[in-house]
Amino acid sequence: IAMTQTPLSLSVSPGQPASISCNSSQSLLHRSGKTYVYWYLQKPGQSPQLLIYEVSSRFSGVPDRFSGSGSGTDFTLKISRVEAEDVGTYYCMEGIFRTFGRGTKVEIK
Amino acid sequence: QVQLQQWGAGLLKPSETLSLTCGVYYGSFSGYYWSWIRQSPEKGLEWIGEIDQRGNTNYNPSLKSRLTISVDTSKNQFSLKLTSVTATDTAVYYCARGVFDVWGQGIMVTVSS
Repeated sequence: IAMTQTPLSLSVSPGQPASISCNSSQSLLHRSGKTYVYWYLQKPGQSPQLLIYEVSSRFSGVPDRFSGSGSGTDFTLKISRVEAEDVGTYYCMEGIFRTFGRGTKVEIK
Repeated sequence: QVQLQQWGAGLLKPSETLSLTCGVYYGSFSGYYWSWIRQSPEKGLEWIGEIDQRGNTNYNPSLKSRLTISVDTSKNQFSLKLTSVTATDTAVYYCARGVFDVWGQGIMVTVSS
């Protein structure tokens, strides 16, 4: 499964929204009825951290300005109001073969 | 709060065996799969494989022929061995829990003659 993430980079003013897309080469709807898509943020110099699991569930401690959506092959991570601490590279991942997207680097204008 | 601590050799020569261990502290070892993931500029983030406390494993097919992941439940540790390394195995190697909700600190492994 290939995960195509767009855009590669994003420059956002503080307080403005941001949106990252991830497209999979095949449907990620599992026979269980669940869709295993995850979003991670890797802040500069750190290990990645889990933001969103199973398309739209926020991981513990993740601010509610982060939201995930999508189905089938198209998925989106949205940040409603970007803050300085959101800088880093965002990755989507499909949970069947654990394939990651190539990342979207988010910076503050 | 569970923490993962990794260790192992950071500089290898081509054809040598990469060996890393990840210790799980302040949390349960059972009930999860434990993974190895690597990151390089060329390939990005790449899942290597996983193991549970019973020793059940799942490997990335592209690495399977060179890969062994093992577990030591008495020490709450799991290990990675990758044989016959080449320069393309140069990467930061991470250990992680389950759906990657907890990560180790990462170790830079360089393969160079």
